[in-house]
This record gives sequence, C-alpha cells and structure tokens, in this order.
Amino acid sequence: QKEVEQNSGPLSVPEGAIASLNCTYSDRGSQSFFWYRQYSGKSPELIMSIYSNGDKEDGRFTAQLNKASQYVSLLIRDSQPSDSATYLCAVSGYSTLTFGKGTMLLVSP
Amino acid sequence: EAGVTQFPSHSVIEKGQTVTLRCDPISGHDNLYWYRRVMGKEIKFLLHFVKESKQDESGMPNNRFLAERTGGTYSTLKVQPAELEDSGVYFCASSRRRRGEGGEQYFGPGTRLTVT
Repeated sequence: QKEVEQNSGPLSVPEGAIASLNCTYSDRGSQSFFWYRQYSGKSPELIMSIYSNGDKEDGRFTAQLNKASQYVSLLIRDSQPSDSATYLCAVSGYSTLTFGKGTMLLVSP
Repeated sequence: EAGVTQFPSHSVIEKGQTVTLRCDPISGHDNLYWYRRVMGKEIKFLLHFVKESKQDESGMPNNRFLAERTGGTYSTLKVQPAELEDSGVYFCASSRRRRGEGGEQYFGPGTRLTVT
C-alpha cells in the first residue's frame, strides 16, 4: 500500500516568515513529486513539481527532494495571508498520483 | 487555454439512484484521470484514460462505477446504483504526459456528490 504522510497542522506562521511543509512517502519506486495548493471548497492547484534530488526554486516557493530519505518538502518564503490554504503532497510512479491528507497553513497578518 | 471543466458542480441524489458526472479535459491532453475525496480522507485515484483506452482502473471501488471516454475527448463517470458511501468530491484531472516525461496533472473544480 503506497502511502504519503503529512502533518495535518495547522501550521501557523506570521506574515513575512518562511513556512516549511514536509512530506514522506513509502514507495521507493516513486519518480515524480508534486505540491498542490487547495483553498477551501476549491480544486487542487499545482504549484511545484520536482523529479530529481535537490532543490527547485520558483518565485517564493522552493521544493526539496531527498529520495534516499523518501522525503519531500516545500518552503514558502515571505509568506502572505493569501498563502493560507491546505498544501497537498502528491507522489507518482508512472502516472497516477498518491496524495497525502494535506497540511493546513495559516499565515497571520 | 481553458482548464479542466466538470459538470455538475453539485449533485444530491437518493440511495439507489443513478448519477452521471462529466469531465472535459484541457484540449490536447490525452491523459484523463478520475479521483475521489471522501470526507476526512485523502484524495484517491479511481482510474486513468489514455485517449479512449482505460490504462489503469485499479482504484475503481466496485462495479457500480462505470467510466467512459468515447472518442478520447470528454469522459463520464456513472454511479449506478448510488450508495451512501459514494458521497464525496469527484475530481477529474488531465495531463499531456508522454512516456518518460513529467506528469503534471491539472485538476478540475470537482463534483460534490451527496447520496442521501
């Protein structure tokens, strides 16, 4: 049974701080790793994808992957209240996604 | 570029009735996926189409669920007869992914199904 684990939170950070979201996965054969953002009642929105070990930066977002430790993380710099949402970690082997339950992030003004 | 669209946005039906959900993927995306999120649980995979062919239907819960993608364009997911445990949000996603490429999947707004 493939599993993706995330701390449910909420993770509370003040505006302007760095938010750090973490995810572990069980399937060593996983090839692709994604972070989705989901506002309440809305659909998951893809914000980052990462396929190889190391860091990948896109604007205020940095995804980090360590396949040996089966660990993926997402850093959000200069957090804004509009970043308040649930962040879903998703892992894929060939095509289908296995999701974690998500971490709720609350950014206070 | 238009995103993934789903219809209806909400559906409330009684146990034993039939419901059909529709998904229109992003134009040019050969891969179409159905996922479901039941309350308190994570989003779970149901099935995957490549064009009109079912590539993987290992996540379909039982034979009350029937998915089709005629002509490789839009897809329908029929639940017949619906049971209480079928309640949840049904998401459709699509991707352009070819073998060996990254598989970014883009999600539709979902259909919230309530079975009473």
